[in-house]
Amino acid sequence: EAQVTQNPRYLITVTGKKLTVTCSQNMNHEYMSWYRQDPGLGLRQIYYSMNVEVTDKGDVPEGYKVSRKEKRNFPLILESPSPNQTSLYFCASSPPQGLGGYEQYFGPGTRLTVT
Amino acid sequence: GENVEQHPSTLSVQEGDSAVIKCTYSDSASNYFPWYKQELGKRPQLIIDIRSNVGEKKDQRIAVTLNKTAKHFSLHITETQPEDSAVYFCAASIDGNFNKFYFGSGTKLNVKP
Repeated sequence: EAQVTQNPRYLITVTGKKLTVTCSQNMNHEYMSWYRQDPGLGLRQIYYSMNVEVTDKGDVPEGYKVSRKEKRNFPLILESPSPNQTSLYFCASSPPQGLGGYEQYFGPGTRLTVT
Repeated sequence: GENVEQHPSTLSVQEGDSAVIKCTYSDSASNYFPWYKQELGKRPQLIIDIRSNVGEKKDQRIAVTLNKTAKHFSLHITETQPEDSAVYFCAASIDGNFNKFYFGSGTKLNVKP
């Protein structure tokens, strides 16, 4: 089954404790993104990746890191989480533009609480 | 960068009525406009999209219109059903910009039976 998976689905942590949210897709998609969703603000792009070892900042990259060492994986790293990073996080992937591309396939979401 | 504004933030309609959600964008270089539906507790899913070389696109009860001059696009849902109740997000992207998307703040649609 074609899908995007994220782990963990729920995470409660404390300020300053490094964490990683994993994202994996099995559709051989070139593009992957991370979003955060906050009430009244919609979805805001944190980072995106065009291919292995190629990443760029989205609208709200501060406090986050990403890596793309393999095509299928795109982990989101919070080196020193703070309470303002409490949010619902979505990973998404999409095929290259022109190959039915553009549609983003979202993962199930990770609800992160930082106390 | 691009700024996408979406209205209304909440919309309540009677089953069978039509619903219209509107979005405006600021960057005239944007030329791809998708709409995503997010049911409660679920992930967003694409329901329809439009490219800038087209003024309107329909898919059964759903349609999207685009006015490039005015820089706004709208989602139209006809004959609404309770299962249409969800949060709807519009977005804008610049073709070739490696999937950099700007989303609106969302519209919560409630269809009353």
